[in-house]
Amino acid sequence: KNEVEQSPQNLTAQEGEFITINCSYSVGISALHWLQQHPGGGIVSLFMLSSGKKKHGRLIATINIQEKHSSLHITASHPRDSAVYICAVRGATNKLIFGTGTLLAVQP
Amino acid sequence: EPEVTQTPSHQVTQMGQEVILRCVPISNHLYFYWYRQILGQKVEFLVSFYNNEISEKSEIFDDQFSVERPDGSNFTLKIRSTKLEDSAMYFCASSRPGGTPGYTFGSGTRLTVV
Repeated sequence: KNEVEQSPQNLTAQEGEFITINCSYSVGISALHWLQQHPGGGIVSLFMLSSGKKKHGRLIATINIQEKHSSLHITASHPRDSAVYICAVRGATNKLIFGTGTLLAVQP
Repeated sequence: EPEVTQTPSHQVTQMGQEVILRCVPISNHLYFYWYRQILGQKVEFLVSFYNNEISEKSEIFDDQFSVERPDGSNFTLKIRSTKLEDSAMYFCASSRPGGTPGYTFGSGTRLTVV
């Protein structure tokens, strides 16, 4: 069983839609990261969370430590949001354990 | 905004050859990492480095791999005798000291072993 599970694996949305990507994990963590990866490209850090909620522009990330669950929301989605969104958790050491990612395509 | 710089962006090598992947972490970061992503798969941890020594390594990081911080600014990953299955995107990352450090990733080196 993967330590970090994401859903859905693939998501297609129409421009303007509200998008939610979910992440569940089975290990103890000190922080959870949401990352963005464009095809063939590098990894960009969007959020690091240890509790509660963070917002940056149209992106919102929440975490429930008791339920071992986090969500990434995108409001008013746009085609430029199309990318792979990755959840990764950090435990007692500083290494990250990655989920398999959610491939998001936003159509105009 | 400070960046983690990786070179080269793409390297093609013959099986059995040695390769060195280079990274310049952010200057005030103290933790350094290498991760890899085989095409179509998730990102995997290889090794972390702190205070001039390896602090953790994965099962993937066997004797053919080594890391070095030769001059206080560069952080290198050496693969001694490359295999076809070493073909992947290799990401360097660094993080700040103390508290809950965030991560900054480099743009990656795509290694192709032929």
